[in-house]
Amino acid sequence: AQSVTQLDSQVPVFEEAPVELRCNYSSSVSVYLFWYVQYPNQGLQLLLKYLSGSTLVESINGFEAEFNKSQTSFHLRKPSVHISDTAEYFCAVSSNDYKLSFGAGTTVTVRA
Amino acid sequence: EAGVVQSPRYKIIEKKQPVAFWCNPISGHNTLYWYRQNLGQGPELLIRYENEEAVDDSQLPKDRFSAERLKGVDSTLKIQPAELGDSAVYLCASSTGRGLPEAFFGQGTRLTVV
Repeated sequence: AQSVTQLDSQVPVFEEAPVELRCNYSSSVSVYLFWYVQYPNQGLQLLLKYLSGSTLVESINGFEAEFNKSQTSFHLRKPSVHISDTAEYFCAVSSNDYKLSFGAGTTVTVRA
Repeated sequence: EAGVVQSPRYKIIEKKQPVAFWCNPISGHNTLYWYRQNLGQGPELLIRYENEEAVDDSQLPKDRFSAERLKGVDSTLKIQPAELGDSAVYLCASSTGRGLPEAFFGQGTRLTVV
């Protein structure tokens, strides 16, 4: 079984500042890793994913995450946030059983 | 391509009443998931279908929850009777099932039990 820990429940950040959301997982087997974003009253949208290959993955809206196997981490970063990035972000892990296990989420609030 | 469609978006019921949620997955997606998301928490898996077969229902409270996926397409999740603690957002998701676990989520049904 795998579990996910998101180390920060709330992250306030000013517009155009960088942000990092931390995610650690525990699993004894190979994993797939995901970041989902949830805007208010919306479902979850896939932000980016690591399935195999390059450990650095990027999204179309400027986010990136790096898979670090030795530290069992998949931290999410963005060098410059916008007001529209205000949302809740969930890290998730899946292994061969195709069951997605989610962290508790990190609420990002971007202020002008 | 249409996404995962869920209905209703919101539901308010009194405790002990039954309630049902409906999900239409993305066309061609063989795998369907139901998740429950409590306030301030991440989603937790209730049940996973591969086509019409429930392959993982270990987290489904079977005394009051039931689900079906007739013909391997649409799915219905039912609660009978509902309890106050069932208030949550119920999320449906689907994936291709062809070796990749990437799941696409619907907008969810927010259930309030009063």
